[in-house]
Amino acid sequence: AQSVTQLGSHVSVSEGALVLLRCNYSSSVPPYLFWYVQYPNQGLQLLLKYTTGATLVKGINGFEAEFKKSETSFHLTKPSAHMSDAAEYFCAVSLITGNQFYFGTGTSLTVIP
Amino acid sequence: GAGVSQTPSNKVTEKGKYVELRCDPISGHTALYWYRQSLGQGPEFLIYFQGTGAADDSGLPNDRFFAVRPEGSVSTLKIQRTERGDSAVYLCASSLETNTGELFFGEGSRLTVL
Repeated sequence: AQSVTQLGSHVSVSEGALVLLRCNYSSSVPPYLFWYVQYPNQGLQLLLKYTTGATLVKGINGFEAEFKKSETSFHLTKPSAHMSDAAEYFCAVSLITGNQFYFGTGTSLTVIP
Repeated sequence: GAGVSQTPSNKVTEKGKYVELRCDPISGHTALYWYRQSLGQGPEFLIYFQGTGAADDSGLPNDRFFAVRPEGSVSTLKIQRTERGDSAVYLCASSLETNTGELFFGEGSRLTVL
């Protein structure tokens, strides 16, 4: 079975501070990993993804994530938060043997001025 | 249009009624997904189409839910005898490729069953 766990349903950071959103997965086969962002009243959009190759992946808006197989983690980071980063963030996994995408329950990021 | 289009954006219905939700994917995308998102939850997989056929419908909660994609483009999610528990945002996404591909989501159809 495969699942995605996002620790912390709500995260608050000050503007300019480090953003760290946590994601752990369980999978019986090598996963493909994704982070999606959902701004208010908008559809989900892809931030970044890991499929193969370099384990540190960079995405849009200065976000990056690192795939750590030993820790079964794919945490999302950004060095300096901006007010416009306030949104809901979802971690997702898909499997090379299937075609479903499994989503975590999401983390709501608040940026404090 | 350039993106995934879903209609209606909002639907209020009464318990027991029939509802159809439409999804118009990005042109050329062969893969189409339906998800359901309840308040405070992540998207929950319902069904996946590759072309015209439902390749995986294991996420449909029961036989009141059905989806079609007759020409391999537009898809319709159909819910019979709606129940209050069906209230959620129904998301449609399309993709050029499966597994590693980026999902392009619509803004969703918010269904409220009174």
